[in-house]
Amino acid sequence: NAGVTQTPKFQVLKTGQSMTLQCAQDMNHEYMSWYRQDPGMGLRLIHYSVGAGITDQGEVPNGYNVSRSTTEDFPLRLLSAAPSQTSVYFCASTFDRRAGKLFFGSGTQLSVL
Amino acid sequence: AQSVTQPDIHITVSEGASLELRCNYSYGATPYLFWYVQSPGQGLQLLLKYFSGDTLVQGIKGFEAEFKRSQSSFNLRKPSVHWSDAAEYFCAVDTGNQFYFGTGTSLTVIP
Repeated sequence: NAGVTQTPKFQVLKTGQSMTLQCAQDMNHEYMSWYRQDPGMGLRLIHYSVGAGITDQGEVPNGYNVSRSTTEDFPLRLLSAAPSQTSVYFCASTFDRRAGKLFFGSGTQLSVL
Repeated sequence: AQSVTQPDIHITVSEGASLELRCNYSYGATPYLFWYVQSPGQGLQLLLKYFSGDTLVQGIKGFEAEFKRSQSSFNLRKPSVHWSDAAEYFCAVDTGNQFYFGTGTSLTVIP
């Protein structure tokens, strides 16, 4: 098993550009989520999904879009990047969220200039 | 609103000393509570969790945490810290709708 795979690991964008952060898991987890991590802010939930075809907003959804067409993939789209979106992004998944064992990807460091 | 507070941004301890990291939550009922550790450049690893029952829970790497309902706290402890414990520690709660993380406590271990 590869676990949770995030790509790319690093990305630099210019303001206004769009891009998609990829997240894939091979553990058949129903629950997948995206977090951003900023210094002094901890991890904040952007969007999450409890299964294919089902997505919902977290704490900080503005400026981000998600879809869940398959169980395995949960891409995060930045439609028009802004400097405020400079952050480290983590994808996480679990079979049972209340079991607490979230499996995290290795993160994507995004800089928006 | 639900929230998780970790009042200590940064803690420094000597190797071999005891450790306590504080976590307070704000929620109407008893949520599911967790502690995670993040090493530099890595994702988060679950240390331990509390759902119900015994309020003192044991985790990996020699960590334990105690749930105190009266204080809305879930503090993480370790009797003797090792240099490899230097990392960022996050308390988290699951309210049934969402999973919230605290802002984290950075631990430095002095040899």
